[in-house]
Amino acid sequence: AQTVTQSQPEMSVQEAETVTLSCTYDTSESDYYLFWYKQPPSRQMILVIRQEAYKQQNATENRFSVNFQKAAKSFSLKISDSQLGDAAMYFCAYRRGNTGNQFYFGTGTSLTVIP
Amino acid sequence: DTAVSQTPKYLVTQMGNDKSIKCEQNLGHDTMYWYKQDSKKFLKIMFSYNNKELIINETVPNRFSPKSPDKAHLNLHINSLELGDSAVYFCASSPDWGGRPYEQYFGPGTRLTVT
Repeated sequence: AQTVTQSQPEMSVQEAETVTLSCTYDTSESDYYLFWYKQPPSRQMILVIRQEAYKQQNATENRFSVNFQKAAKSFSLKISDSQLGDAAMYFCAYRRGNTGNQFYFGTGTSLTVIP
Repeated sequence: DTAVSQTPKYLVTQMGNDKSIKCEQNLGHDTMYWYKQDSKKFLKIMFSYNNKELIINETVPNRFSPKSPDKAHLNLHINSLELGDSAVYFCASSPDWGGRPYEQYFGPGTRLTVT
């Protein structure tokens, strides 16, 4: 079974600074998708960024970027110029690419942004 | 336009009661899910339906019964509620394997409190 591991239960960052959240996963598949979701105190789950395993280029969405290391099965999220609104739980998730309907979520990292 | 909606958003009830949570998506997705998020924010998959067919049925008490009248709706009925059922329940949907991208879209969650 696939597993997703987030080894940092809590992280903090100064406003305007950069922070990196770690995620590793275990799979024997070659075709899969990786995601980062954000859950602010409102509890709504919001997609931050996605990465297709077949793409070598790291995904970027404005201040959010990933460092996808396929061989190492690592998928970290970098948040640049951190803002107070970035404070949230961040979940890493994996989905098999072909016929897989199941998503596997990590245990989450709680990010605090210090003014 | 709400993509994935859940009703109610808050539900407070007593032990032993039976309650239902409703979910609807207007995205045209084929697959829908129910997740339970406990007080530690762990997201646990409970059920998944693809075109009204149950495809994922994790180990949950049989007091929980999903029902999908059509592919846009997935309801969750809980019998004989227990204190440990208190959690936030999320509905989500995702396109089938033939559709891209593969991310899940989440509803706003239903906070269930059993007293």
